[in-house]
Amino acid sequence: SQQGEEDPQALSIQEGENATMNCSYKTSINNLQWYRQNSGRGLVHLILIRSNEREKHSGRLRVTLDTSKKSSSLLITASRAADTASYFCATDGVGYGNKLVFGAGTILRVKS
Amino acid sequence: EPEVTQTPSHQVTQMGQEVILRCVPISNHLYFYWYRQILGQKVEFLVSFYNNEISEKSEIFDDQFSVERPDGSNFTLKIRSTKLEDSAMYFCASRQGLDGYEQYFGPGTRLTVT
Repeated sequence: SQQGEEDPQALSIQEGENATMNCSYKTSINNLQWYRQNSGRGLVHLILIRSNEREKHSGRLRVTLDTSKKSSSLLITASRAADTASYFCATDGVGYGNKLVFGAGTILRVKS
Repeated sequence: EPEVTQTPSHQVTQMGQEVILRCVPISNHLYFYWYRQILGQKVEFLVSFYNNEISEKSEIFDDQFSVERPDGSNFTLKIRSTKLEDSAMYFCASRQGLDGYEQYFGPGTRLTVT
């Protein structure tokens, strides 16, 4: 199984602080993708990092990937109340079809 | 910006009934997927579809499920005889293919089986 797991399960921070979420997985991957989900809504694609990349930035997001440790982290800098959501990592494992395997997610609450 | 759309947003059906969930993937995308998320649980892969055939399917995707791309734009998931445990949010996703590996998800259809 290539199941990924995020930690922490829940994170509560003040607006303006940084939020770091971690993801671990078990098998070889082509890439790892991070998604945001507001309560009961759809999955919004945030960023994709390929297996040969170590770090990627997009606006206030910074993603790192360590394939030797089979882990990734998502950093949201200068958080805003609107960042309150669940965040999921999803791994695209080596193989046909490129299905994504999702972790359980981190629930982020940003207090204003 | 192009996006994946899904209809209906919410479907209520009785156990044993057939339902069809509809998706319109992003227009130049070649790979299509269905996932589901039971309330409070992880998002789970159901099936992937490319070149008018199933590429891969999960154990969940048994004989009661089928997918179809009836025309150049729609991608459907049919559940033939719904069970209570089919109640979930169903997400359609698409990706461009070639060098595009990002999977873009639709807003989901909440299926409630009573």
